[in-house]
Amino acid sequence: GAVVSQHPSWVICKSGTSVKIECRSLDFQATTMFWYRQFPKQSLMLMATSNEGSKATYEQGVEKDKFLINHASLTLSTLTVTSAHPEDSSFYICSARPGLGSGTGEQYFGPGTRLTVT
Amino acid sequence: GDSVTQMEGPVTLSEEAFLTINCTYTATGYPSLFWYVQYPGEGLQLLLKATKADDKGSNKGFEATYRKETTSFHLEKGSVQVSDSAVYFCAGGGFKTIFGAGTRLFVKA
Repeated sequence: GAVVSQHPSWVICKSGTSVKIECRSLDFQATTMFWYRQFPKQSLMLMATSNEGSKATYEQGVEKDKFLINHASLTLSTLTVTSAHPEDSSFYICSARPGLGSGTGEQYFGPGTRLTVT
Repeated sequence: GDSVTQMEGPVTLSEEAFLTINCTYTATGYPSLFWYVQYPGEGLQLLLKATKADDKGSNKGFEATYRKETTSFHLEKGSVQVSDSAVYFCAGGGFKTIFGAGTRLFVKA
């Protein structure tokens, strides 16, 4: 149980285009999902907290107009990288916390999406 | 603000050696603490957790004890295997989880 999927697992796009990444909790519901960015050989940097039915909460320094987050249902959150540039190339990871409230338990992570912008 | 500090790697050990990866945290209150593992080419997996002081989390031979007095949550394993080679992340937090920088472990046969 507690499986989180991401799609696509990797994507290559041209500079200036937009890319959408999906994060799904397959066997549980999650009011809250998180989006992280991981640079090579570095830790995870929290980008934003995705809240079902409301706007995402972005961390300081993360451009909300560039990284659009939509939490359409209790099992799906999407991250859209708009007008992508090569510096947006990274490994994007989502996680979901089981439950229908703002709990504090562990998160379950998706396998990540590697984005390469050429 | 809250922070998690873990020892820098890489750590290189021979098979069957004892492993310790240090982790300390700074937080308001007493957050839940976690160790996550990331195998090459894969996503993060929860390895173990502890939710309150003196709790010991354990899984797959790994252990960590939540020490309130030293604000630490060191990861230990008595005998590592080649298959334990991975990156280990200490993490803590309440609603939002803060991650340490990660420690890469190489285990040689």
